[in-house]
Amino acid sequence: KNEVEQSPQNLTAQEGEFITINCSYSVGISALHWLQQHPGGGIVSLFMLSSGKKKHGRLIATINIQEKHSSLHITASHPRDSAVYICAVSCPRFGTGTRLQVFP
Amino acid sequence: DGGITQSPKYLFRKEGQNVTLSCEQNLNHDAMYWYRQDPGQGLRLIYYSQIVNDFQKGDIAEGYSVSREKKESFPLTVTSAQKNPTAFYLCASSRVGGFTEAFFGQGTRLTVV
Repeated sequence: KNEVEQSPQNLTAQEGEFITINCSYSVGISALHWLQQHPGGGIVSLFMLSSGKKKHGRLIATINIQEKHSSLHITASHPRDSAVYICAVSCPRFGTGTRLQVFP
Repeated sequence: DGGITQSPKYLFRKEGQNVTLSCEQNLNHDAMYWYRQDPGQGLRLIYYSQIVNDFQKGDIAEGYSVSREKKESFPLTVTSAQKNPTAFYLCASSRVGGFTEAFFGQGTRLTVV
């Protein structure tokens, strides 16, 4: 069993939909990262969380340390949000990613 | 501005040749990491280093070597012993003590022909 599990693996949405990506982990952590990887491979760090909730524009990330679970939400999704979203914890270990496609 | 620089972005090599991927950071981070990503798969840890002149094997270290002679630099050599070297390689750095404030390079896509 992977130490970091993401769901769903693939996600398709229509523009404007609210999207949720989940990450569960089985190890103790000091921080959790949400990353975005576009075609071509470059990775951008979206959030680093150790507790609670963070918001940046249309993106919201939450973490529940007791339940070892984090979620990434995208409000009013847009085709430019299409990417692979990766959860990483502080071992460091990565989830396998969620491939999101948003259609106009 | 502080950050991590990986070079080159794309690299082609002939089978049997060693190749070295560069990773430089100016963030004053003690810890640096190398990962490999294959199509449709997650990132897997190759090597990491938490201090100069010291490094540890990750999950898939066979066929790779690293050095950490300077805090800013953590080059990865893909040797001819690596059976399937074609992949995307990602470098990261962080403060020691839990991967907080991690930064990521743009990656190097290596193709061996």
